[in-house]
Order: sequence, then C-alpha cells, then structure tokens
Amino acid sequence: AQRVTQPEKLLSVFKGAPVELKCNYSYSGSPELFWYVQYSRQRLQLLLRHISRESIKGFTADLNKGETSFHLKKPFAQEEDSAMYYCALRSGGYQKVTFGTGTKLQVIP
Amino acid sequence: DTGVSQDPRHKITKRGQNVTFRCDPISEHNRLYWYRQTLGQGPEFLTYFQNEAQLEKSRLLSDRFSAERPKGSFSTLEIQRTEQGDSAMYLCASRGVGGNTIYFGEGSWLTVV
Repeated sequence: AQRVTQPEKLLSVFKGAPVELKCNYSYSGSPELFWYVQYSRQRLQLLLRHISRESIKGFTADLNKGETSFHLKKPFAQEEDSAMYYCALRSGGYQKVTFGTGTKLQVIP
Repeated sequence: DTGVSQDPRHKITKRGQNVTFRCDPISEHNRLYWYRQTLGQGPEFLTYFQNEAQLEKSRLLSDRFSAERPKGSFSTLEIQRTEQGDSAMYLCASRGVGGNTIYFGEGSWLTVV
C-alpha cells in the first residue's frame, strides 16, 4: 500500500528564512511524486513534479529514493508563500494519487 | 472561467437523504477524478474515469456511493442514505490527453445533519 507522510501540520518561518517542508513516502515500486499547494480561498493546484526537476516560485524538491523522501525547499521564504502544501504520490500504471495530510506554511513578516 | 466547475458548492442535508453532485471538467479533458477531503486531511481518492469508463474505484466508495460519466463529459457523484460521516468536501479534477497536470475544482461541501 502506498502512503505519504507529512510530519508537520504547521510550519512557521520568518520572511527571508529558508523553508523545508518534509515529505516521506512508502511505496515499493517507482512512484511519481508531486507537491500541490492551496492558497487561501483558491483551489488546489499543482506546484511541481519530481519528473520535471524544475523550480517553481523558487521551490525545488528532490526525490531521494534511499530515504524515501521528497522534501520541498525554498532558500528565502516570502509572505505570499503562506499556504497549505500537500505532498502526493502516484504509482506507476494507476491514476490514483495519494495525498499526505498537508502542512500549513505560515510566513511571518 | 474555463476551469473545473462543481455544483452545488454547498449542500446541507438530513441524514438518510440522497444527494448528487455534478462536475463539469475542463473542455476536452478525457480524464476525471473524484476525491473526498475531510478537515485536517488531504484529499482521498474515490474514483477515476477515462472518457465514460470508470476504470478505478477506491474501497472508500461504499455501496451508497455511485459515480457516473455517461457521455464522457460531465460527471455526477451520488450518495444515497447519507450518514454524518459523509460530511466532507467532494473534489472533482480533470486531466487532458497527454497532459501531466490534474486540475481541481473548488469542491462541493456536504454537511449531513
């Protein structure tokens, strides 16, 4: 069974400080990992995918298969980064995406 | 707005009643998903359609839940004999052919009293 764990419900950082949102997963095959974000009063949207290996809004995430982690990082937090962040996993061959419970990022001005 | 739209946005119903939610995906998106989200939890997968075919279904989808996508365009999610535990946000999402991004709707809030 696949599972996604986000250990922190809330992460508060000061503006300009580095951010790391933790995500660990359990899955025996080769998963596809995502980060989704939900800003206040907006719908859930894709932030980035591990396959793309891109940086979106200054965020990056590296898939570490040894540690089964996909942590989301940003070197300097901005107030507009305050939102709910969900890590998600899709197993090969299936459409089902399994989400973590989410971490609320609060950037303090 | 050409995004995924869901209706109604909010529904309050008495326990035991039936409710139906509608989802209109982004035009020409052939893949459609239903998720459920309760407070403090991430979205939980319910079911997946490719065109009109329901190809994946979660064990969460009990016999009281049924989803359809008769013409491969809009979809409905019906909950029969609602229970208080059904109170949640029901999210619909869609994805296009060859597309990598799933687009979510704003969700339909269900409160069972």
